[in-house]
Amino acid sequence: DTAVSQTPKYLVTQMGNDKSIKCEQNLGHDTMYWYKQDSKKFLKIMFSYNNKELIINETVPNRFSPKSPDKAHLNLHINSLELGDSAVYFCASSQGGLTLGANVLTFGAGSRLTVL
Amino acid sequence: DQQVKQNSPSLSVQEGRISILNCDYTNSMFDYFLWYKKYPAEGPTFLISISSIKDKNEDGRFTVFLNKSAKHLSLHIVPSQPGDSAVYFCAASAFTGANSKLTFGKGITLSVRP
Repeated sequence: DTAVSQTPKYLVTQMGNDKSIKCEQNLGHDTMYWYKQDSKKFLKIMFSYNNKELIINETVPNRFSPKSPDKAHLNLHINSLELGDSAVYFCASSQGGLTLGANVLTFGAGSRLTVL
Repeated sequence: DQQVKQNSPSLSVQEGRISILNCDYTNSMFDYFLWYKKYPAEGPTFLISISSIKDKNEDGRFTVFLNKSAKHLSLHIVPSQPGDSAVYFCAASAFTGANSKLTFGKGITLSVRP
């Protein structure tokens, strides 16, 4: 029943490791996003994909690589993890298009990444 | 640079009274504003929005007011209920469609006392 689901919910790993977070939405939305909430609590956009195509790529280290195998999935792979990558990562989706409703995002529950 | 500012980190209100949550923005290109509510260990959920062509939008107990000249918006919750206790994020966007991105504030923690 969950509209936007992401796994894992918690991830604890060592510096230098590579890890992935998976996201799936069953809302039929065309656009998916990754947001990062850091220790200062700001929610900042990292990437957005529209129908598997990369649309927004904010200033994010290239150790972060999103992959969208289809429009219902958007995964985030992080190479060579650093202490500063510790944060909560939220996946979200929206219907896209040219309506104001395109701005209404449905978020997943978040994946808390802790790098030791 | 913080384009969306929620300067008060927290607010405590008695049940039944009005809660007023404030938000300021600096980017004059923003034309759509939203409020999200977040409970612990959950993702933010959409609450209410307003387009820049309006100055007020109401949905049940929730009303959002927009003052474009002051670059200020506020969320009013009347009457406040204990279940409203959560973190409230103000967000804004400058485009619609596939290139839309929401810019969020830091959030305000609302506590409604029974």
